[in-house]
Amino acid sequence: GAGVSQSPSNKVTEKGKDVELRCDPISGHTALYWYRQSLGQGLEFLIYFQGNSAPDKSGLPSDRFSAERTGGSVSTLTIQRTQQEDSAVYLCASSIAGGPGNEQFFGPGTRLTVL
Amino acid sequence: AQSVTQLGSHVSVSEGALVLLRCNYSSSVPPYLFWYVQYPNQGLQLLLKYTSAATLVKGINGFEAEFKKSETSFHLTKPSAHMSDAAEYFCAVSVSSGNTPLVFGKGTRLSVIA
Repeated sequence: GAGVSQSPSNKVTEKGKDVELRCDPISGHTALYWYRQSLGQGLEFLIYFQGNSAPDKSGLPSDRFSAERTGGSVSTLTIQRTQQEDSAVYLCASSIAGGPGNEQFFGPGTRLTVL
Repeated sequence: AQSVTQLGSHVSVSEGALVLLRCNYSSSVPPYLFWYVQYPNQGLQLLLKYTSAATLVKGINGFEAEFKKSETSFHLTKPSAHMSDAAEYFCAVSVSSGNTPLVFGKGTRLSVIA
């Protein structure tokens, strides 16, 4: 089966514009995660969805960031009024369940550049 | 809260030499530990994971890691480096209860010299 896919692969935007990043998880995976990878900073957790439960938004850096997951499958991460510090690679991962020992499968990421 | 420290942002080894990438963790509860590899312009791929079974964990591509509770370490090793091992390596921790995301170290870039 297909792995985690993300679109677009690259996004260049101007400061102040809104952007939407899309993630298609592996079919049947109930857990979905968004991470941000900045140069020299490793991976930073943003938000986590598990089934129909309320998402864990504890990693979102500001209220300009939001995410939704429709029908327990596709997820969209939205960044409003983008700032230059939002430039990073945004990675999506899914796992078969939300338990701590389950492997997370990562997509190739979306590279966001804010000019 | 849990955390991960990877010593050395860049490690360079000769082809055929031992690879040792260091990872120390902090967790107040029993952890799950992971090593992921990221090749250029790709997502992360799981190398191996520790889930409280055997302390010596074998992964893909000849890598292994040993969980040492007394040292709070989970160092990654490979006896003989290959050119194809050049990549970024991330250590991550997750606690053994609840639904928690992975906490990653900042990564170690491995270069392999011919």
